Amino acid sequence: EAGVAQSPRYKIIEKRQSVAFWCNPISGHATLYWYQQILGQGPKLLIQFQNNGVVDDSQLPKDRFSAERLKGVDSTLKIQPAKLEDSAVYLCASSLGRTETQYFGPGTRLLVL
Amino acid sequence: GIQVEQSPPDLILQEGANSTLRCNFSDSVNNLQWFHQNPWGQLINLFYIPSGTKQNGRLSATTVATERYSLLYISSSQTTDSGVYFCAVWDMYSGGGADGLTFGKGTHLIIQP
Repeated sequence: EAGVAQSPRYKIIEKRQSVAFWCNPISGHATLYWYQQILGQGPKLLIQFQNNGVVDDSQLPKDRFSAERLKGVDSTLKIQPAKLEDSAVYLCASSLGRTETQYFGPGTRLLVL
Repeated sequence: GIQVEQSPPDLILQEGANSTLRCNFSDSVNNLQWFHQNPWGQLINLFYIPSGTKQNGRLSATTVATERYSLLYISSSQTTDSGVYFCAVWDMYSGGGADGLTFGKGTHLIIQP
C-alpha cells in the first residue's frame, strides 16, 4: 500500500513570496490533515478535511495560509505572502476516518529567507 | 486544551540497552499514538494505543487511560532506533470538533554503538 505522498520535499523562498505544497493521501482515506512542525517542537495541526469539507481550520493563519481539497482526494496548502517564521516542516497526514490511526507523509521542508 | 508531557526529554544509551519513555496527558483521551521521527524527518507510526498493551518486535507500549499515562518500551536498542519519539493524543471534548492530534515535545533518543 502506497503511503502519503508530498511534494516538493524542500523549498527555499524569500519572505513575501508565495509557495504551495501538495499532498496525496493513502487511497481510500477520507480524512486529511496538514500539520506544521517548527524545529524542536512536535507537529501542530493547521487544518483538517473530511472528504472535501473543512472540519477545523481554527489554527490556520487565514490572512496568509489557505488550503483546499478538491474532489476529496489531493490537497494543496498555500502560503502567501510568506514570513520568516513560516520556516518549518509541513506534514500531511491521512486516516480512514475521524479518530482512526493517522499516517504521515515525508513532509516539505520550507526555509524562508 | 489537553496537555501532553513526555519524559525524559533526552536519552543517550549504548546499543543493546533497554529504555522506557513516558507520556503523561492532562485529560481523558480517545486516541493515543506513538511515533518515531527518524533523522530524515519521517514520522513513523509505532502504536495506536488509547488503552491496554501492545507489542511489536522489540517495542511495546502500555496506556493506562484511568491514570492518564502511556509508556513506550524499547528493548535491545539498535543504532537505527535513534531519533525523536513522540506521543500524540486526541480528546473528543477539547478538540473543538476536530480530530487533530496534540503532540508532546518528544524524547530525543541517541543509541551509541
